[in-house]
Amino acid sequence: QKEVEQNSGPLSVPEGAIASLNCTYSDRGSQSFFWYRQYSGKSPELIMFIYSNGDKEDGRFTAQLNKASQYVSLLIRDSQPSDSATYLCAVSYNNNDMRFGAGTRLTVKP
Amino acid sequence: DTGVSQDPRHKITKRGQNVTFRCDPISEHNRLYWYRQTLGQGPEFLTYFQNEAQLEKSRLLSDRFSAERPKGSFSTLEIQRTEQGDSAMYLCASSPGQYSNQPQHFGDGTRLSIL
Repeated sequence: QKEVEQNSGPLSVPEGAIASLNCTYSDRGSQSFFWYRQYSGKSPELIMFIYSNGDKEDGRFTAQLNKASQYVSLLIRDSQPSDSATYLCAVSYNNNDMRFGAGTRLTVKP
Repeated sequence: DTGVSQDPRHKITKRGQNVTFRCDPISEHNRLYWYRQTLGQGPEFLTYFQNEAQLEKSRLLSDRFSAERPKGSFSTLEIQRTEQGDSAMYLCASSPGQYSNQPQHFGDGTRLSIL
């Protein structure tokens, strides 16, 4: 069974802090990794994707991938209350489907 | 580019009825996916199309579920003889190209409530 695991949270950080969200996956053949943000009652919104080991930065967001450890993370710098949402990790195992974790709920307190 | 469009946004129906949802993907996106999401869970893959061809179906997709994408553009998802357990958000996503390594863009979803 291909699994994507996330800590469900809630993760609470103060405004301006760095939020660190983690995800592990079970299939070493996984090729592509995505982070989505989902506000309550809304659909998932793509934040970042990463294919290669290392870091990828986009504005306040940094995705980190370590295929040897089967680990992908998302860092949010200078967290804002508007970042409060559920963050979904998604992994593409082959050329067919994508599997999602259950998500981590993030709360940024003013 | 108007994004992925889903209709209806909400559907309330009695158990045993049939329901059909529509998804219009981003134009020229070859791939179209259907997911189901329940409270506190991530989206669960149901099925996907490469143009008009349905290439994979999840074990979650019982014989009461059927999906079509007749001309490789919009898609429909039908649930026959609905059950209480079918209550969920049904999400449609599309992506360009021929592989799942491309980011998927989601519609706003159809929330199904079974009375």
